[in-house]
Amino acid sequence: ILNVEQSPQSLHVQEGDSTNFTCSFPSSNFYALHWYRWETAKSPEALFVMTLNGDEKKKGRISATLNTKEGYSYLYIKGSQPEDSATYLCAFTRGSARQLTFGSGTQLTVLP
Amino acid sequence: DTGVSQDPRHKITKRGQNVTFRCDPISEHNRLYWYRQTLGQGPEFLTYFQNEAQLEKSRLLSDRFSAERPKGSFSTLEIQRTEQGDSAMYLCASSSDRGRTEAFFGQGTRLTVV
Repeated sequence: ILNVEQSPQSLHVQEGDSTNFTCSFPSSNFYALHWYRWETAKSPEALFVMTLNGDEKKKGRISATLNTKEGYSYLYIKGSQPEDSATYLCAFTRGSARQLTFGSGTQLTVLP
Repeated sequence: DTGVSQDPRHKITKRGQNVTFRCDPISEHNRLYWYRQTLGQGPEFLTYFQNEAQLEKSRLLSDRFSAERPKGSFSTLEIQRTEQGDSAMYLCASSSDRGRTEAFFGQGTRLTVV
């Protein structure tokens, strides 16, 4: 994998459902993996920065895991709410570079 | 400090005109980034400043694009002789240089070239 790939591209779930997204990234020369939530007309909001293989982070109903050896991260949302509707972006940084390389995002819509 | 601010929020311009966008980062952040996002894609890196020094530029940044960060505070991104393909959301972000911290983004400037 040369770039960041996210799946699915879009997702519709019912309120109360749990859901998860996948982010795949190049595993060589890994530095950090970032998850952002981007709501329409707002700034992308940082959710997690993950650096160590096996990292698990949690913020409320949202959690993420990281596997740097195989180059993937999962984002989980438990009991989705309509306010979770947003585009979820993952991005990685590699080696000495400081800029983020983003995936195309997963657009989540939570239906009431 | 309320975060990263960008101005203007929206800009409509005619093809061939020059446009300039401004970004005010979080005051204690010495790193500043510009990204461009088009429909259906994630943000793409354009350029990066450490204080006032522009340390990296993407190949996406053609010679019609120029960015500055005088005195290491706010930054401007200028696009000369705009083309319809320049229509996009231009995002600015800032971060600290201490460890693997997150970048904080502004709300972006939506450019439409007609």
